[in-house]
Amino acid sequence: NAGVTQTPKFQVLKTGQSMTLQCAQDMNHEYMSWYRQDPGMGLRLIHYSVGAGITDQGEVPNGYNVSRSTTEDFPLRLLSAAPSQTSVYFCASRDTSYEQYFGPGTRLTVT
Amino acid sequence: RKEVEQDPGPFNVPEGATVAFNCTYSNSASQSFFWYRQDCRKEPKLLMSVYSSGNEDGRFTAQLNRASQYISLLIRDSKLSDSATYLCVVKGGGSARQLTFGSGTQLTVLP
Repeated sequence: NAGVTQTPKFQVLKTGQSMTLQCAQDMNHEYMSWYRQDPGMGLRLIHYSVGAGITDQGEVPNGYNVSRSTTEDFPLRLLSAAPSQTSVYFCASRDTSYEQYFGPGTRLTVT
Repeated sequence: RKEVEQDPGPFNVPEGATVAFNCTYSNSASQSFFWYRQDCRKEPKLLMSVYSSGNEDGRFTAQLNRASQYISLLIRDSKLSDSATYLCVVKGGGSARQLTFGSGTQLTVLP
């Protein structure tokens, strides 16, 4: 049981490049979400999904897209990277008890 | 006013000390409360849920005060391994699905 996995662990992008952060969970959780964590800001919700085919925006969705074609996978796409998107990104899934399980994170630097 | 506020610390305490953190929340309809622990450069992990009657897990005690809209975490007999950032997490009331994270309180336990 791997829990929540994320790839890559580290990424450096140039301004304007696009990329996809991968996230997968094997716990059959319906609810998945993406957060970014910046110093002093705490975790901020980017997008979330309550099940396959259903996604919605969180607190800071601009510049990011998501899709949920299966229960297991929830990729996050950066459309045109900007230095303001330099952050640590966490994917999470949870069950009906609201206990949230996080992936190990992706450290993204945009130059 | 932030939805969830925590004293960022840092709290530096000697081994064996008792330390307490508070967290205030602004939405009086909030229903569920949690403490998460985050080690340096790692993902957050659930430490404990906070129940209305208060609850204890070994050296850790969590309390909820709905009238004053705060939750607390007490750590007794601090260990070096307790050094981490402690995140307060609140689930809104009604149909709100999102969890709101505080920015965390940093604890360092000194030998």
